[in-house]
Amino acid sequence: KAGVTQTPRYLIKTRGQQVTLSCSPISGHRSVSWYQQTPGQGLQFLFEYFSETQRNKGNFPGRFSGRQFSNSRSEMNVSTLELGDSALYLCASSTDWGEQFFGPGTRLTVL
Amino acid sequence: AQTVTQSQPEMSVQEAETVTLSCTYDTSESDYYLFWYKQPPSRQMILVIRQEAYKQQNATENRFSVNFQKAAKSFSLKISDSQLGDAAMYFCAYRSAGDNDMRFGAGTRLTVKP
Repeated sequence: KAGVTQTPRYLIKTRGQQVTLSCSPISGHRSVSWYQQTPGQGLQFLFEYFSETQRNKGNFPGRFSGRQFSNSRSEMNVSTLELGDSALYLCASSTDWGEQFFGPGTRLTVL
Repeated sequence: AQTVTQSQPEMSVQEAETVTLSCTYDTSESDYYLFWYKQPPSRQMILVIRQEAYKQQNATENRFSVNFQKAAKSFSLKISDSQLGDAAMYFCAYRSAGDNDMRFGAGTRLTVKP
């Protein structure tokens, strides 16, 4: 099976812009979770989608949002970008019993 | 709230020797899962080993094994016969049985010396 794929791999944006990141899970996985990884805060959970519904949400402002499509592909959107949003954004797809497999990540730089 | 603590920011080991990475966690739940993930410099997170809290037997995957002490809320990872390819950041993670909100420790950077 193909692994989790994320696009784009690298992104440079300026403050105030918005960005959309994409994640394609492993075939058959219905759950997709998103994480933000920074040197200062480590790995932090953003949200999880299961069968097109947000099932869990971390402690992030409303500028961070996501969605999941019927084919389980997921997107996350960050609006009004701030410098502090610069991070590696990781997507993980899960089996029905919760074992998570991570994608390579999208490196977002906000200038 | 569940928290995961990795008290060793960095560790080093000589090739072919054994190293143990520490992890403690805090939870009031009885049903949960624990994981060790490896993140090499290429950044792809890889699952190393998982442990179900209801299982008393420690999980083992080839050269990787855990010491799970449920009462002490401790979950250490032992790497035997260390190889150069084991060099990476290692993250301990906790997940409640009820959801997919994974809580990660701050990570331990492992260096393997030839």
